[in-house]
Amino acid sequence: DTEVTQTPKHLVMGMTNKKSLKCEQHMGHRAMYWYKQKAKKPPELMFVYSYEKLSINESVPSRFSPECPNSSLLNLHLHALQPEDSALYLCASSKNRDPLNEQFFGPGTRLTVL
Amino acid sequence: DQQVKQNSPSLSVQEGRISILNCDYTNSMFDYFLWYKKYPAEGPTFLISISSIKDKNEDGRFTVFLNKSAKHLSLHIVPSQPGDSAVYFCAASEEGNFGNEKLTFGTGTRLTIIP
Repeated sequence: DTEVTQTPKHLVMGMTNKKSLKCEQHMGHRAMYWYKQKAKKPPELMFVYSYEKLSINESVPSRFSPECPNSSLLNLHLHALQPEDSALYLCASSKNRDPLNEQFFGPGTRLTVL
Repeated sequence: DQQVKQNSPSLSVQEGRISILNCDYTNSMFDYFLWYKKYPAEGPTFLISISSIKDKNEDGRFTVFLNKSAKHLSLHIVPSQPGDSAVYFCAASEEGNFGNEKLTFGTGTRLTIIP
């Protein structure tokens, strides 16, 4: 299994809603990542988890709250988002944090905040 | 501040010819470079990488060239095939620098192969 899965594929939420994005991999990878990609822009790193511990937070607003409940799962909890947070949210995983290890990306969740 | 730049947003190439995608970077700390390919509605897929100790890496139809002095790399695809039509992202990181392993992506080049 060399796949990273993300659910849901699409999400529409209001600014007062609370929702969660889910990411799962069964490759035994111990590093997992959240990226945000706006239209016609490159993916931008948000968070890195290594061995289920948060390693990097790229100054992301607190309305985004990541969680890594186990080595296969990565969640992104969303609360009180703004319309400008609408984007494609990509999850990725790699064997570990060594940059030489390829990152495998999921298909993304397309989020629309109304 | 865009540290990794792909100055051509789009490129069209005839099937069977060579496709050359270019990428420039400004951060001299970058020493590991990757190319990712992205189809619509899918996440990026790793294509090929190169470490700064090399100036060329080849994998089948794909070759990446690195010119460290010019802070420039390029991806050559030959021969180009219709299935190569996608958006190509150049990415860079600091090799072996734990804590700074984030990938910095370029803005992407949309490659269209004309049958």
